[in-house]
Amino acid sequence: QVQLVQSGAEVKKPGASVKVSCKASGYILTNYYIYWVRQAPGQGLEWMGIINPSGGNTTYAQKFQGRVTMTSDTSTSTVYMELSSLRSEDAAVYFCARGPDVYYYGMDVWGQGTTVTVSS
Amino acid sequence: SYVLTQPPSVSVAPGQTARITCGGNNIGSTSVHWYQQKPGQAPVLVVYDDSDRPSGIPERFSGSNSGNTATLTISRVEAGDEADYSCQVWDSSSDHWVFGGGTKLTVL
Repeated sequence: QVQLVQSGAEVKKPGASVKVSCKASGYILTNYYIYWVRQAPGQGLEWMGIINPSGGNTTYAQKFQGRVTMTSDTSTSTVYMELSSLRSEDAAVYFCARGPDVYYYGMDVWGQGTTVTVSS
Repeated sequence: SYVLTQPPSVSVAPGQTARITCGGNNIGSTSVHWYQQKPGQAPVLVVYDDSDRPSGIPERFSGSNSGNTATLTISRVEAGDEADYSCQVWDSSSDHWVFGGGTKLTVL
């Protein structure tokens, strides 16, 4: 079945970087965009950016410009999101999700989420 | 930046109809998606493009969008519908996806 499986929980110190993976199965990675969304404890969903695995084009939310990098490896059907210069406010659950189109159809399959803890 | 406003909470008795709103400036001119999220789980798409349902989503879930308000309607509410519901739109002025703050649906 169609799945997005994310890497496990991470604990990082302030100032460090974290790299979260999202492995796609059950469909062709390059046929869908991959979005990254995060959710801080008790808060709503926050869009971080989008990558087109077919070609690697990215668009990042302005809030994360300069700190986030999204990449894809089509040979392993895996997409990565790296966030640098971590601060306490980056503690959240990070989700990847796929969508067939940038504007329409929504995000129809989500990963299980990766918890990132930022603590000294 | 574009702001989506949702009520923090909505309560409804089982079998009744729940309506969850999502307010935004001229939101009727763009496509709205709705997600259901239960505690500790990833969101699930329940309505896309204002009023379409993904396969597997019950017909009890429907959506509408006009003017400055989009609405998710859940008919014949069941205990299992208790969750947070968030709306989402594409803000063309900033090229950003925007989420509403979420509404907690409580089934009494």
